[in-house]
Amino acid sequence: AQTVTQSQPEMSVQEAETVTLSCTYDTSESDYYLFWYKQPPSRQMILVIRQEAYKQQNATENRFSVNFQKAAKSFSLKISDSQLGDAAMYFCAGTLYGNKLVFGAGTILRVKS
Amino acid sequence: GAGVSQSPRYKVTKRGQDVALRCDPISGHVSLYWYRQALGQGPEFLTYFNYEAQQDKSGLPNDRFSAERPEGSISTLTIQRTEQRDSAMYRCASSLSPFGTGRNTEAFFGQGTRLTVV
Repeated sequence: AQTVTQSQPEMSVQEAETVTLSCTYDTSESDYYLFWYKQPPSRQMILVIRQEAYKQQNATENRFSVNFQKAAKSFSLKISDSQLGDAAMYFCAGTLYGNKLVFGAGTILRVKS
Repeated sequence: GAGVSQSPRYKVTKRGQDVALRCDPISGHVSLYWYRQALGQGPEFLTYFNYEAQQDKSGLPNDRFSAERPEGSISTLTIQRTEQRDSAMYRCASSLSPFGTGRNTEAFFGQGTRLTVV
């Protein structure tokens, strides 16, 4: 089965600190895309970062970076210098079966001031 | 258009009625996806299209759900004989090209249609 697992229903981080959100997945594909999406209370879906499986280098977007471990099928998101505006639900997603983009159940991130 | 547009934003319908949810993707986008999202959960894949061709409908829950994209642009998700369990946010997303064919492929999401069946 092509699944995405986010094992942390909820995480908290102090403002300006660093937090890591976990994601593991299952696929028989050799090439695929992985994504982290942010969903604030407005319920928009905002792309945070993207990783292509054929690339060894971990993707980075400003304060957001990933730790992609292809063999372990792990794709964690690190948020550095956390800000109040980072508080949201975060979804890990991947094109793990052809072009079908599948999502995890999400992790609620709370940022404390 | 500038973004993915969905209409209506909110729909309240009585159990047993049919509903049609519309998605207008970003102009020129080849792929179009439909998802259903319950509160506090991740989007659940329903179906997707490349151009007008429905590529995968494995996520449609049952035969009351159908989708079409006749001219390769606007898509309609239809739910017949609605039931209370159909209540959810229905989301549409589009991408310029199918995943795997372009390095900058990403899915852009609409604001969603919140469906409530009473």
